[in-house]
Amino acid sequence: EIVLTQSPGTLSLSPGEGATLSCRASQSVDSSYLVWYQQKPGQAPRLLIYAASSRATGIPDRFSGSGSGTDFTLTISSLEPEDFAVYFCQYYGGSPLFTFGPGTKVEIK
Amino acid sequence: QVQLVESGGGLVKPGGSLRLSCAASGFTFSDYSMTWIRQAPGKGLEWVAYITNGGSTTHYGDSVKGRFSVSRDNAKKSLYLQMISLRAEDTAIYYCARPGPFHAFDIWGRGTVVTVSS
Repeated sequence: EIVLTQSPGTLSLSPGEGATLSCRASQSVDSSYLVWYQQKPGQAPRLLIYAASSRATGIPDRFSGSGSGTDFTLTISSLEPEDFAVYFCQYYGGSPLFTFGPGTKVEIK
Repeated sequence: QVQLVESGGGLVKPGGSLRLSCAASGFTFSDYSMTWIRQAPGKGLEWVAYITNGGSTTHYGDSVKGRFSVSRDNAKKSLYLQMISLRAEDTAIYYCARPGPFHAFDIWGRGTVVTVSS
């Protein structure tokens, strides 16, 4: 079973600062199936990054993804007010078929 | 536009049943596998069920296996989730979502709320 761990649980930052979010898998995974989502209160999640580093349609280039093996990172280069939200990583493959990490909340400091 | 709209949620007693629906529009529904994902109040996301585009293959999360059943009607562009033997821990927002490139969920509905309580 693949387990995803995200850190930190909460990140307190100011607009304009950069953010680095971590997603760690319990075993080496295929980066082609590592995904990042953003979720704001009262909304469904929105796809940000797929295949570890490919931005989804319409996602600003301040969002970038990287990593391989067991360690993956979502980087927001300079936080805009609308970026304060919860971010989830997710993996497709193995058992269970889809796995989500517990999320990182990016809050305004 | 590309859209998924869930319906069928509500309040149900423990042990009861409920059937959720998801209506798709704006894309060729029969070309895509589909999934159900849920989110308990204040919690993270949990994958629930997956069905291939033709409906011949299904997969379930361990917590719902044997109690939930996913199906689809491609002619009606609709996805369904039949839920039986409901428990308090099934209380959640239920989203339908479309696996797109590399099985990333690129389209989500707004969700429907299921509350299991006596």
